Amino acid sequence: NAGVTQTPKFQVLKTGQSMTLQCAQDMNHEYMSWYRQDPGMGLRLIHYSVGAGITDQGEVPNGYNVSRSTTEDFPLRLLSAAPSQTSVYFCASSAVSNQPQHFGDGTRLSIL
Amino acid sequence: DQQVKQNSPSLSVQEGRISILNCDYTNSMFDYFLWYKKYPAEGPTFLISISSIKDKNEDGRFTVFLNKSAKHLSLHIVPSQPGDSAVYFCAASVGFDNNDMRFGAGTRLTVKP
Repeated sequence: NAGVTQTPKFQVLKTGQSMTLQCAQDMNHEYMSWYRQDPGMGLRLIHYSVGAGITDQGEVPNGYNVSRSTTEDFPLRLLSAAPSQTSVYFCASSAVSNQPQHFGDGTRLSIL
Repeated sequence: DQQVKQNSPSLSVQEGRISILNCDYTNSMFDYFLWYKKYPAEGPTFLISISSIKDKNEDGRFTVFLNKSAKHLSLHIVPSQPGDSAVYFCAASVGFDNNDMRFGAGTRLTVKP
């Protein structure tokens, strides 16, 4: 029972590089989301999706893009990495937006 | 602007005793509250929730209390076990809506054998 799978677990980037954080869920959930967790702060919503082909911005969307071509996958793209994007990123899913979410184990990203 | 605050970064209790984790919120429109638990190197997992129509919700050893007038909720764990050692996040939203969920910074609970 895989649940929500995030890859990679760790990544170091240089300023200006781009990369994609992968997220996949095998629970046939319609709702998926991306959060970042920074020291001393709660999880903050970056982007979310209520179903394939539908995405929207959360609280802190700047510098990130998402797409949702399938129900299972919800990748997060950093277009031009900045040191301020150093964080731990969590992907989550739920059947619908008003149910508790299942979280992946996170990706620790460092931007030098 | 942190609308959900967990003012105690850490808490240490003895095995078998009660653990009380606190959470305050500023937005009086919040009416749905959740607690998540997180072990190191894992993602948060849902623990328990409460809506504003109740002031208490219980699930086994875990009880959440809501004081709407004080804009305060607490999670009680009785009895505490070493396996409860984790970071606990509270979260709140207007209506149960993950799109608008606000999380606290978390409290690290250590239960000593």
